[in-house]
Amino acid sequence: DTGVSQNPRHKITKRGQNVTFRCDPISEHNRLYWYRQTLGQGPEFLTYFQNEAQLEKSRLLSDRFSAERPKGSFSTLEIQRTEQGDSAMYLCASSPRGLVGNTEAFFGQGTRLTVV
Amino acid sequence: QKEVEQNSGPLSVPEGAIASLNCTYSDRGSQSFFWYRQYSGKSPELIMFIYSNGDKEDGRFTAQLNKASQYVSLLIRDSQPSDSATYLCAVTTSGTYKYIFGTGTRLKVLA
Repeated sequence: DTGVSQNPRHKITKRGQNVTFRCDPISEHNRLYWYRQTLGQGPEFLTYFQNEAQLEKSRLLSDRFSAERPKGSFSTLEIQRTEQGDSAMYLCASSPRGLVGNTEAFFGQGTRLTVV
Repeated sequence: QKEVEQNSGPLSVPEGAIASLNCTYSDRGSQSFFWYRQYSGKSPELIMFIYSNGDKEDGRFTAQLNKASQYVSLLIRDSQPSDSATYLCAVTTSGTYKYIFGTGTRLKVLA
């Protein structure tokens, strides 16, 4: 499978615990994105990387969220001290190198987080 | 004002009809425009993208872009029940590579 891969697919955690999600992008794609989606809403931008550099992070993202892409390949998204409001689908996407804004992003299957 | 706006629907059309989905955006510097389809419980999948004014056709799908009026639309010809899904409009703007999504329009194609 050469698409974007996310693990785990589902995660149930107790409030206050830390969770980490992994995303493996399409191999030749240099840009990687994290989005969060709740029921009835469109994907909400969290952060994105170009190679290993984190170029932008949403102002809405609290300090409990951190993302890394250490070697410009896979990425991890960690949520510390989870809250019930963090329950959502966390989507990863990747896009190839190209002119600004002219390349399409492909999504993984997502990680559904439930905080109880 | 939201950056990307879509009517949440549901938009109901009979099988075989043309479904018309609309999206407006606020940033005149927006450069590229994408339509994604999302089935319930699944992740978005790309249908097509457009970045020049006018129409772009791909099979049963046609994207239309009007930058002067700041809207982009998606037409689905010969709609099928399998087209029933939420359609998300996404926009990228100059100076950033991030995609900004609308809330999506739910389409129901009635058999």
